[in-house]
Amino acid sequence: DAMVIQNPRYQVTQFGKPVTLSCSQTLNHNVMYWYQQKSSQAPKLLFHYYDKDFNNEADTPDNFQSRRPNTSFCFLDIRSPGLGDAAMYLCATSRVRGNQPQHFGDGTRLSIL
Amino acid sequence: AQSVAQPEDQVNVAEGNPLTVKCTYSVSGNPYLFWYVQYPNRGLQFLLKYITGDNLVKGSYGFEAEFNKSQTSFHLKKPSALVSDSALYFCAVRDETNFGNEKLTFGTGTRLTIIP
Repeated sequence: DAMVIQNPRYQVTQFGKPVTLSCSQTLNHNVMYWYQQKSSQAPKLLFHYYDKDFNNEADTPDNFQSRRPNTSFCFLDIRSPGLGDAAMYLCATSRVRGNQPQHFGDGTRLSIL
Repeated sequence: AQSVAQPEDQVNVAEGNPLTVKCTYSVSGNPYLFWYVQYPNRGLQFLLKYITGDNLVKGSYGFEAEFNKSQTSFHLKKPSALVSDSALYFCAVRDETNFGNEKLTFGTGTRLTIIP
C-alpha cells in the first residue's frame, strides 16, 4: 500500500548529540512536511518542501534543518538537541499545497537523555 | 490570518449515543476545512474535508461534518458512537486566499472518550 513511512519509530539521543530522522513516501506527492507535536498538543509545522523548494517557518529554531534529496525521501536533522526538543516528530505529504488532505506517517518519538 | 478553535478539550459520550466535536474557524476569504483523528502513538489520519459545495460532508468511519458559514463552524458528528472512536480529534483550516504559504492551522485537539 502507498504510504508515508518514518524511521525509526523511537529514537533516543544524548543532549547535544546530532540526530537525523527519516521519512519516505510511495505516494509520489510533491509536498513533504515536518511537524513537531508535544504531549497531544496541536502539531506545529517546522518546514515543508514543495518539490525542491524549501519553506521554513519563521519560528523554527536554526537547530532544525531538513534535506530532501529526491521526491521520495525527506530528512529532519537536529544539530544539537536540547531537552525541549523531546517530542513526536511527524512527517506528512500532500499532492499539492492547499485543498488536498495531508497524509501522515506514524511519527518518530524522540527522547533526549 | 487564519485560526481555528476547538472549545472542548474533552468530550465523553456513551456508546451508541450521537457524538459532536465542535470546531469554529476564522479566515479572511473562504475556508478549506479538515478533520483528522489521532490514535495513541500514531500519526494523524484524514477523516473528511470541506472545500466547496454541499454543506454536509461525509467521511471515513461513519463521520460527517456540517459547514455553517454564518456561524463559522465545522462540527464533526456521528449518529452512533463506538468505543473504537475514542481518540484525539483535530480540526484544521486553511484560508483559500493565503497564497504562498498554504499551511494548515490546527486546533488544539479534542479528546473523545466513548464510554461502554
